[in-house]
Amino acid sequence: GQQVQQSPASLVLQEGENAELQCNFSSTATQLQWFYQSPGGSLVSLLSNPSGTKHTGRLTSTTVTKERRSSLHISSSQTTDSGTYLCAIDRWGYKLTFGTGTSLLVDP
Amino acid sequence: EAAVTQSPRNKVAVTGGKVTLSCNQTNNHNNMYWYRQDTGHGLRLIHYSYGAGSTEKGDIPDGYKASRPSQENFSLILELATPSQTSVYFCASGDAGQNTLYFGAGTRLSVL
Repeated sequence: GQQVQQSPASLVLQEGENAELQCNFSSTATQLQWFYQSPGGSLVSLLSNPSGTKHTGRLTSTTVTKERRSSLHISSSQTTDSGTYLCAIDRWGYKLTFGTGTSLLVDP
Repeated sequence: EAAVTQSPRNKVAVTGGKVTLSCNQTNNHNNMYWYRQDTGHGLRLIHYSYGAGSTEKGDIPDGYKASRPSQENFSLILELATPSQTSVYFCASGDAGQNTLYFGAGTRLSVL
């Protein structure tokens, strides 16, 4: 069954608003990563956060390993943040399992 | 910056034909991966490799073969393409110590 579930499936914001994306996983993960995929484009790693809280720029990720969940907070959203955000876990042997993503649209 | 190059970027194939998707990375990564991305399924792992000469089955290997002739190159082969293999295919590379993967731009394959 689905090992990584993301919510919401889609989100529309006005520029400047904050976004909160959720990721829940059903199996033990040795690694958790967030990726960004531009519309029709490739994937870029945003940050790796197997546990605790990590910040990079306007992004904050909090992972609670025991509860098998992670969140990605985007502050002061910009139109260039539009795209799909993917959560992925590493089961073992460094093979990532991806969720289906959250599609974010930031309107000007 | 890690570089992963896929070719072709777009491909139209006929049912029953042979298709080869190529991937080249210039970062000396040991691990390489082939994923496909479909609406509603996210990215799913087809084959992966831990180094030249090695290939391993991922989660959905049926109908696909892989080849890793060198550290830099990793190919995905569809011997008998079917319409169900219409998808966007992504190649990625990485090393465990880097804690991330670097993805190519993707290949959009249509099997008619």
